[in-house]
Amino acid sequence: QVQLVESGGGVVQPGRSLRLSCAASGFTFSGYGMHWVRQAPGKGLEWVAVIWYDGSEKYYADSVKGRFTISRDNSRNTLYLQMNSLRVEDTAVYYCASNDCSGGSCYPKRLDPWGQGTLVTVSS
Amino acid sequence: DIQLTQSPSFLSASVEDRVTITCRASQDIGSYLAWYQHKPGKAPKLLIYAASTLQSGVPSRFSGSGSGTEFTLTISSLQPDDFATYYCQQLNSYPLLTFGGGTKVEIK
Repeated sequence: QVQLVESGGGVVQPGRSLRLSCAASGFTFSGYGMHWVRQAPGKGLEWVAVIWYDGSEKYYADSVKGRFTISRDNSRNTLYLQMNSLRVEDTAVYYCASNDCSGGSCYPKRLDPWGQGTLVTVSS
Repeated sequence: DIQLTQSPSFLSASVEDRVTITCRASQDIGSYLAWYQHKPGKAPKLLIYAASTLQSGVPSRFSGSGSGTEFTLTISSLQPDDFATYYCQQLNSYPLLTFGGGTKVEIK
């Protein structure tokens, strides 16, 4: 079945780096734009970044621009989020999610499916 | 940037109550609005997309309406499994997406 599984979370000191992974299965990963969304403790959902199906375009929330990099390896069906210069306020559960349409002319109406999330804690 | 304002932020209700949650957009987003249900430790679950289309497998007690700047999610008869936090999301400004602040539905 369609599945997204995040990994790579953990505890890291402020200023350090961490890379998250999202392994996809059950659908043609290479055809779909992919997103990272996060939820800080006690807060709501916050969109973080998106990457086009072929990796040709990437967009970020202002809160992470210049520090986080989204990428993908379509040969491995895997999405990544490289997080540098981490801050305490980056502490959150990070989810990956897929567009509902494929290809370059996709204008999604929903994000589905989603992974279960991986927890990142930034603390000294 | 498009802002989404959900109300109420907290709702206390009983089983079988009718519940309505509102989501207001800071500018016209057409029908590019989705609703998600989120429970602690779980993946967000898509309920409604394109403002009023019920996602496959979602119970029919959930419905969505609205267009432009004002949207509603209605649960016609609240069930024990429905106690969760609900979020609206706008996709009109894709690739830049926005979520509402969330509405936590708790048992009265």
